[in-house]
Amino acid sequence: AQSVTQLGSHVSVSEGALVLLRCNYSSSVPPYLFWYVQYPNQGLQLLLKYTSAATLVKGINGFEAEFKKSETSFHLTKPSAHMSDAAEYFCAVSEYQAGTALIFGKGTTLSVSS
Amino acid sequence: DGGITQSPKYLFRKEGQNVTLSCEQNLNHDAMYWYRQDPGQGLRLIYYSQIVNDFQKGDIAEGYSVSREKKESFPLTVTSAQKNPTAFYLCASKATPASGELFFGEGSRLTVL
Repeated sequence: AQSVTQLGSHVSVSEGALVLLRCNYSSSVPPYLFWYVQYPNQGLQLLLKYTSAATLVKGINGFEAEFKKSETSFHLTKPSAHMSDAAEYFCAVSEYQAGTALIFGKGTTLSVSS
Repeated sequence: DGGITQSPKYLFRKEGQNVTLSCEQNLNHDAMYWYRQDPGQGLRLIYYSQIVNDFQKGDIAEGYSVSREKKESFPLTVTSAQKNPTAFYLCASKATPASGELFFGEGSRLTVL
């Protein structure tokens, strides 16, 4: 069965600092991997996705993630945090080209201080 | 603009009442999904539908029901059998069941008084 583990339910950084949100997945077949962002009382917006092409994936708002099969990881990074990055972030996995729903991690809340 | 519309945004219900949450999409997507979100628990799958007139239970289907009579519509009914219905409900869709990305609506917050 597939699963996603997000390490750290809450991450705090200073404005301008590196953002690192951790995600590890479990899948017996090649996965699709996703990062979504959610602002309070809103739906989820896709940041980026890995679909078996390049292992380093660039997304919106300066975020990127690297797929590491050997570590079963898909960590999200941003070189310099901005106040507007404060939100909840979800990592998700699904089976490659299978008709399955996405499995989500429990989320990481990112706080950015000035 | 294409997208997913959920209504109502906020809903209050008394215990013992059934409520129906609306989800409409104009993206011409085949597959639609309902997730429930609770603080600290991420998103959990309630029901999904890959094609009109067909749907499957997700991980937490008990106390919920759905229908898929039209491609663009996938309403969710929260029945009185759902023991803890207060939550944020999210509807999503995919272009096809095998395509990767989910598109989400803005969510509906249900509070049971």
